[in-house]
Amino acid sequence: DIQMTQSPSSLSASVGDRVTITCRASQGISNSLAWYQQKPGKAPKLLLYAASRLESGVPSRFSGSGSGTDYTLTISSLQPEDFATYYCQQYYSTPPTFGQGTKVEIK
Amino acid sequence: QVQLQESGPGLVKPSGTLSLTCAVSGGSISSSNWWSWVRQPPGKGLEWIGEIYHSGSTNYNPSLKSRVTISVDKSKNQFSLKLSSVTAADTAVYYCARAKGTTDAFDIWGQGTMVTVSS
Repeated sequence: DIQMTQSPSSLSASVGDRVTITCRASQGISNSLAWYQQKPGKAPKLLLYAASRLESGVPSRFSGSGSGTDYTLTISSLQPEDFATYYCQQYYSTPPTFGQGTKVEIK
Repeated sequence: QVQLQESGPGLVKPSGTLSLTCAVSGGSISSSNWWSWVRQPPGKGLEWIGEIYHSGSTNYNPSLKSRVTISVDKSKNQFSLKLSSVTAADTAVYYCARAKGTTDAFDIWGQGTMVTVSS
């Protein structure tokens, strides 16, 4: 299985801050990477796929980049509704695997 | 728009079989999508269980393969999960999800159903 490691595991930020979350795969995944947002008691929501493609309806303040084994999710200006846990997921090989999550909390 | 809804018992006894169904509405299960089950133990991360195509083709997580069966019922527009020989470690929220296009990025999720394994 491909292991996905996110950093940091948690962070505190203020509204308006630029936030960056990184995800490292244990082997190259050729941009087969998705990012999800999950709020308490809710299902994950797809934000980006193919590393940088924004899912329909997702605000443009979310962006993704990276290649090979290293990927980044950036929130350009954190909004109150963005406080949540974020997961990366590789779908390059079966089984699809998720990172452990990054909890974004209010500073 | 496509919506997914999980259903099934919320409590299963140890060594028993967990059985869940995911009803697909607003679209056809025979579309060109794979349909998955994903679980999340309380306070923990996400684990992919397996997937099925409307043809009946399946892929399973090797860590669970010996205990998992996923099936499809096209007449009812739904797919199902069976997980046998459950233990407390199988206690989790179980989600069904649709894979987007030819990817295994999951663009549509059910609301999730909590299953507790306990006597």
